[in-house]
Amino acid sequence: GENVEQHPSTLSVQEGDSAVIKCTYSDSASNYFPWYKQELGKGPQLIIDIRSNVGEKKDQRIAVTLNKTAKHFSLHITETQPEDSAVYFCAARNAGGTSYGKLTFGQGTILTVHP
Amino acid sequence: DADVTQTPRNRITKTGKRIMLECSQTKGHDRMYWYRQDPGLGLRLIYYSFDVKDINKGEISDGYSVSRQAQAKFSLSLESAIPNQTALYFCATSGSGEQYFGPGTRLTVT
Repeated sequence: GENVEQHPSTLSVQEGDSAVIKCTYSDSASNYFPWYKQELGKGPQLIIDIRSNVGEKKDQRIAVTLNKTAKHFSLHITETQPEDSAVYFCAARNAGGTSYGKLTFGQGTILTVHP
Repeated sequence: DADVTQTPRNRITKTGKRIMLECSQTKGHDRMYWYRQDPGLGLRLIYYSFDVKDINKGEISDGYSVSRQAQAKFSLSLESAIPNQTALYFCATSGSGEQYFGPGTRLTVT
């Protein structure tokens, strides 16, 4: 099955700096890669996603890049703000076979943005 | 009102007890999921259901069972709770794209 590795496990930055979280996946058939943000006491919420036919996607201060050859994808947050502090999860999904519709998650990154 | 609700939000139970966690959704989605979250391990899939008559095991189904009572309801049961089932449990639902998560149930087994 799919295996997703996420790094770093914790990330501390100063307000205004950039933050980068990286994930690798093992199944070359995976074709959908979402990123979720989990705030304290809440369930994960989708913040951005990318499909395998696209190399980069941007939404205001967040962007995701995908390298299918190397099987890794990254989340980039620019101009970080204290409200960006949360746990971030990457995930991968295979659109076919027995894995259809299932997400495999990374281990999570605790991002802390210091004012 | 929230699209995905979970009850209870917090529960403390004793080893050997049977416990049920309930999930309801108002998004009209066919697909529903139960995940377990442990520190440093991310979200791991326990069971999933793609419609009312479809139930599938995830990567960590041992010690758990589920029931899909209706399109909108998906319950998770621990037949005989043990301390290493102490965790945060999330229900999720999806159509063909994004998964929407409930607020979670914090379960402690003493």
